[in-house]
Amino acid sequence: AQSVTQLDSQVPVFEEAPVELRCNYSSSVSVYLFWYVQYPNQGLQLLLKYLSGSTLVESINGFEAEFNKSQTSFHLRKPSVHISDTAEYFCAATPGNTPLVFGKGTRLSVIA
Amino acid sequence: GAVVSQHPSRVICKSGTSVKIECRSLDFQATTMFWYRQFPKKSLMLMATSNEGSKATYEQGVEKDKFLINHASLTLSTLTVTSAHPEDSSFYICSAPNRGLLYGYTFGSGTRLTVV
Repeated sequence: AQSVTQLDSQVPVFEEAPVELRCNYSSSVSVYLFWYVQYPNQGLQLLLKYLSGSTLVESINGFEAEFNKSQTSFHLRKPSVHISDTAEYFCAATPGNTPLVFGKGTRLSVIA
Repeated sequence: GAVVSQHPSRVICKSGTSVKIECRSLDFQATTMFWYRQFPKKSLMLMATSNEGSKATYEQGVEKDKFLINHASLTLSTLTVTSAHPEDSSFYICSAPNRGLLYGYTFGSGTRLTVV
């Protein structure tokens, strides 16, 4: 069985500061990894994903995540956050033939 | 891009009544639909997997007679909460894989159910 761990439930950060949201996974097989963002009372939006190839993946709004197989991590980073980045962020994994397994989520709060 | 339309977005119902939540894939065929439940400040809990033309598969601890799932066509899956109780109040979200993992899983916008 696989699991996804997001160690930080809440991360407050000042506007224009860098941020890292941590995600670790455990799995006995290869997995595909995702980051989703959820705004209040909305569904989840795909932020970025790692399927194969380059271990560094980027989103269109400045976020990036790096797949690290040796550390079983897929941390999400942004060099400079904006107020609009305030949201809940979920890391998720799947071996490819089962539903996504989600971490518990990290609440990113950007402070002006 | 792929869209899953989920309705209603919010519903308030009385205890003992039933509520139906619909999820439609608008521009792709969703042969599979995943139904999740999200408690306040919590992660998403997979409730069941529905497949078009067959019975849904429920996760352990989820009452299939209470949460009726129907996947009548390649574009429509429904979740009916029967005889609702206040403890069923939650945020329900559907999700469908779109073209495999290439486009990830597309999520509906969610339904906030409040049972009074």
